[in-house]
Amino acid sequence: QTVVTQEPSFSVSPGGTVTLTCGLNSDSVSTNYYPSWYQQTPGQAPRTLIYNTNTRSSGVPDRFSGSILGNKAALTITGAQSTDESDYYCALFMGGGIYVFGGGTKLTVL
Amino acid sequence: QVQLQESGPGLVKPSETLSLTCAVSGGSISSNWWTWVRQPPGKGLEWIAEIYPGGTTHYNPSLKSRVTMSVDKSKDQFSLNLTSVTAADTAVYYCARALSKKFDSWGQGTLVTVSS
Repeated sequence: QTVVTQEPSFSVSPGGTVTLTCGLNSDSVSTNYYPSWYQQTPGQAPRTLIYNTNTRSSGVPDRFSGSILGNKAALTITGAQSTDESDYYCALFMGGGIYVFGGGTKLTVL
Repeated sequence: QVQLQESGPGLVKPSETLSLTCAVSGGSISSNWWTWVRQPPGKGLEWIAEIYPGGTTHYNPSLKSRVTMSVDKSKDQFSLNLTSVTAADTAVYYCARALSKKFDSWGQGTLVTVSS
């Protein structure tokens, strides 16, 4: 069974930098998995932040960036703001039209 | 800007079929992939299925035996049917466009509760 792993929670200070990761139990994450990242605040639909590993969606501030770090996809927030306090989900394209989401990371800014 | 709006019953009885519809506006339903994602209360996102209006569908292997997606191009809408539901299917169901292997233009979501 495919499992996409994310840190359950993370904390960052205002103005600080944080890197969230997205791993795969059965393989190294590469660009071939087209990792994407979504931000979700309570009661709201997810918002697309990053797709195709490192492409920012329209309107997303450049303090959000995506990359591959080692064997995982990564979302880095540089200069975190209080408004960044949210849940963050990654999704991987597994081929054959199948997608899998990670369990999400709850980011606290304090 | 594509906009999506889910609709359907908010309460479904166990063992019955959950049926939802997503209305698409502001874009062509015929030239995009469309998808359903759900989120149980307090839990993470789960990809359910996607469809291309030409007829191609892809389903989450864990749900494949119970899920069907369809498109009605004349009404600019697509639908989800999930059979034999249990309490574990209680979730907020989102429709979204799948474009360039990402999900964008999300609907606001609709809560479906499975309960007798």
